[in-house]
Parts: sequence; structure tokens; C-alpha cells
Amino acid sequence: DAKTTQPNSMESNEEEPVHLPCNHSTISGTDYIHWYRQLPSQGPEYVIHGLTSNVNNRMASLAIAEDRKSSTLILHRATLRDAAVYYCILRAAGGTSYGKLTFGQGTILTVHP
Amino acid sequence: DTAVSQTPKYLVTQMGNDKSIKCEQNLGHDTMYWYKQDSKKFLKIMFSYNNKELIINETVPNRFSPKSPDKAHLNLHINSLELGDSAVYFCASSFGRINTEAFFGQGTRLTVV
Repeated sequence: DAKTTQPNSMESNEEEPVHLPCNHSTISGTDYIHWYRQLPSQGPEYVIHGLTSNVNNRMASLAIAEDRKSSTLILHRATLRDAAVYYCILRAAGGTSYGKLTFGQGTILTVHP
Repeated sequence: DTAVSQTPKYLVTQMGNDKSIKCEQNLGHDTMYWYKQDSKKFLKIMFSYNNKELIINETVPNRFSPKSPDKAHLNLHINSLELGDSAVYFCASSFGRINTEAFFGQGTRLTVV
């Protein structure tokens, strides 16, 4: 399974933008980049995913480097509800790991009022 | 309506017992998963079914047996429960396996005493 590296923790203030980085230098050409988050005592929740181009949805934006070896999840205005563990995941489009969502340690995001 | 529902939410049982956790999704998805989250909060995939066919079977003791009676249900049966089986078990579903989001249930907290 291709690996991702994320900072253990990050902090932000409410209503400020947050940039959560992820390195995935061993990404293969067909791996999708997925982001999930897990709020306390809840199941993981989908945030966004992309392949090569930057993506926007109502929750966040995903900026993917041109060489695809890194990506950044952008929360445009953090709220207290965004405090969670954020996981950057590579989802393989082939091989024995096809379709697997392999969670790493994630980044614990703390949002201060 | 809950998209992915698991029952029970909490399960406390003695070592050596056999127990089942049920999962149902009402999203019309064709792929379902079981994940285990241990006390260190690592989320690890256990099994995945696509159209009732087992497609991912990680290194899991064969005391764990998934059963998919139809595309909307994926149950997890555990024989001869051990203390180390204590964890939170999450069910998830998706339509397809790559370029799609997965929906997770709220989890079943299993405590083996």
C-alpha cells in the first residue's frame, strides 16, 4: 500500500484558513488521493478526493502538486466543528490493494475559539 | 434515515463467547467494508465485499467471519472472543471502489472482559 506522511498535529484559530499537508512520494499514476476526517466518537467522514486536478466542494478544497507527490487539504474558514483527525489516503486503482482505503495516523486538528 | 447503520452500538461480552455485529446500508451501494479501530486509534481494514463477493481479506484471525446475505448487508461474526478483540468496529459502504466516497457507520464498541 502506498504510504502517506502527515504532521501529527496542527492548530488553528476559528474563522482562519487551515492548510493540512500530506506527502505521498510513492504515489502511482492511478492512485486517487482521498481525505477523510474523524470527529470524536464518530465514524470517519468523507471530505474530498482527487486524481490530478485541484478539487473544490462545500467542505474543503484539495490542492494537488503537479508531480502528485504531495497534496494539501484546505479548510477555508475553520470552525470549532472542524476539530478532528484528518486522514490523507491513497486509494489504489489496481493491484492487490485495489479500492482499499488504508488509513495512516492522520493529523489531529485543534481549532481555538 | 441513517445511511449506514450498525447494531449493536455497544457490546460487552466475556472471553470465549461468540458474537455478531450487523451492518445495513440503504444507499444502494455495491461495496461494503469492515474496519477495526484499536485503542491507539489506528483504523485497519479487515474485509471488503463487492456485490456479495469477498474482495479484500486482510490478515485477520479466522475467528472473524464476514457474511453478506445481500448487497445491503454485511455482518461480522466473531468466534471465541479474546481480550485483544476489544475495539471499535466500523462498517462502511461505497458505490464502486476508487473514484467514490465511502460512508461509515457510527461504530460498534466491543469490550471483551
